[in-house]
Amino acid sequence: LAKTTQPISMDSYEGQEVNITCSHNNIATNDYITWYQQFPSQGPRFIIQGYKTKVTNEVASLFIPADRKSSTLSLPRVSLSDTAVYYCLVGDYQGGKLIFGQGTELSVKP
Amino acid sequence: GAGVSQSPRYKVTKRGQDVALRCDPISGHVSLYWYRQALGQGPEFLTYFNYEAQQDKSGLPNDRFSAERPEGSISTLTIQRTEQRDSAMYRCASSRTAGGQGGELFFGEGSRLTVL
Repeated sequence: LAKTTQPISMDSYEGQEVNITCSHNNIATNDYITWYQQFPSQGPRFIIQGYKTKVTNEVASLFIPADRKSSTLSLPRVSLSDTAVYYCLVGDYQGGKLIFGQGTELSVKP
Repeated sequence: GAGVSQSPRYKVTKRGQDVALRCDPISGHVSLYWYRQALGQGPEFLTYFNYEAQQDKSGLPNDRFSAERPEGSISTLTIQRTEQRDSAMYRCASSRTAGGQGGELFFGEGSRLTVL
């Protein structure tokens, strides 16, 4: 299984763009990259998923370089409500256990 | 149902008692996952099912923990002879597809277990 490494914490201010990078050096060909957001006392919530290049949805963008050994979650113009823990997961598209790492605790300040 | 439902939401039990935690996934979802989460930590994988088949139980801490999903829908996580170290939030998640692709996990509210 591909192990993921993320910064433990990050600070930002409202209105800024936040980029959280995840390393997954031993990612396998069948693996997809998925990011989740978790607020205190709630279960994780899906943000975005990708395999390569760039994926964008209404809340975030995901950048994946050609070698796929890392990925970057980009949150545009964060607000206080984006304060949460963000997890990067790497999982086999054919099935398999999905492992959460320690996550990145993002704190957005006024 | 509209979302993943877990019960009980809170369970307080005495050491040595058995507990059963229930998960009702989103209707039609193929995969069902169990995680355990300690305060300040990421969810820890326990086991997962595709339909009724338990695909991986490598995350179950010891043989006091077991899980089943007999009809490919509702799942029960059972902890026998509970110990204080079993105290945690137990989270269930389901996925429309099997595995990582499109494998958006939908989590329930969790069951908080406290072992006295």
